[in-house]
Amino acid sequence: GAVVSQHPSRVICKSGTSVKIECRSLDFQATTMFWYRQFPKQSLMLMATSNEGSKATYEQGVEKDKFLINHASLTLSTLTVTSAHPEDSSFYICSARTRTGKLGEQYFGPGTRLTVT
Amino acid sequence: QKEVEQDPGPLSVPEGAIVSLNCTYSNSAFQYFMWYRQYSRKGPELLMYTYSSGNKEDGRFTAQVDKSSKYISLFIRDSQPSDSATYLCAMRGGGSYIPTFGRGTSLIVHP
Repeated sequence: GAVVSQHPSRVICKSGTSVKIECRSLDFQATTMFWYRQFPKQSLMLMATSNEGSKATYEQGVEKDKFLINHASLTLSTLTVTSAHPEDSSFYICSARTRTGKLGEQYFGPGTRLTVT
Repeated sequence: QKEVEQDPGPLSVPEGAIVSLNCTYSNSAFQYFMWYRQYSRKGPELLMYTYSSGNKEDGRFTAQVDKSSKYISLFIRDSQPSDSATYLCAMRGGGSYIPTFGRGTSLIVHP
């Protein structure tokens, strides 16, 4: 149980284009979904927290107009990187928090590697 | 000082060794402590979860929390090459459900 999927797993795009990443909780309903960014050999950096049906809460320093988050349902959240630039290249990981079980801990997706050329 | 400190390693051990991974923290409000394992280019996987102080064992893994010292540990017995990964500690408390992560320790178990 508690499986989270992400799509795509890898994406290469040209500078100036937009990229959408999907995060789905496959076998549970997620109260909250989180989006992280991870640079090589660095820890997870929380970008934003989203609850189904409401606006995402962004961490300080994260541009909400650049990283659009839509939490359309209890099992789906999307992150759109708009007007991507090479410095946006990174590993993006989503996680979902269950309503119940294990005191509501987070379960992570497999990540999406974004490369902007 | 960061809220959670974790030595990035790498820690290299021979197969069969007992591995000790550690984190220290400064926020006394932390009550929930987690260990995640992350293989290269994959998302983190929840390994162990403990509440407050004490020990928790699951197979070859033992998690220890010492709140008085603000110190947590993960022990891996009979380590295997398949245990080679980055291990991240995480903790939360004070009414927040958003955990604070350590930067992860890279573990290499060589045959």
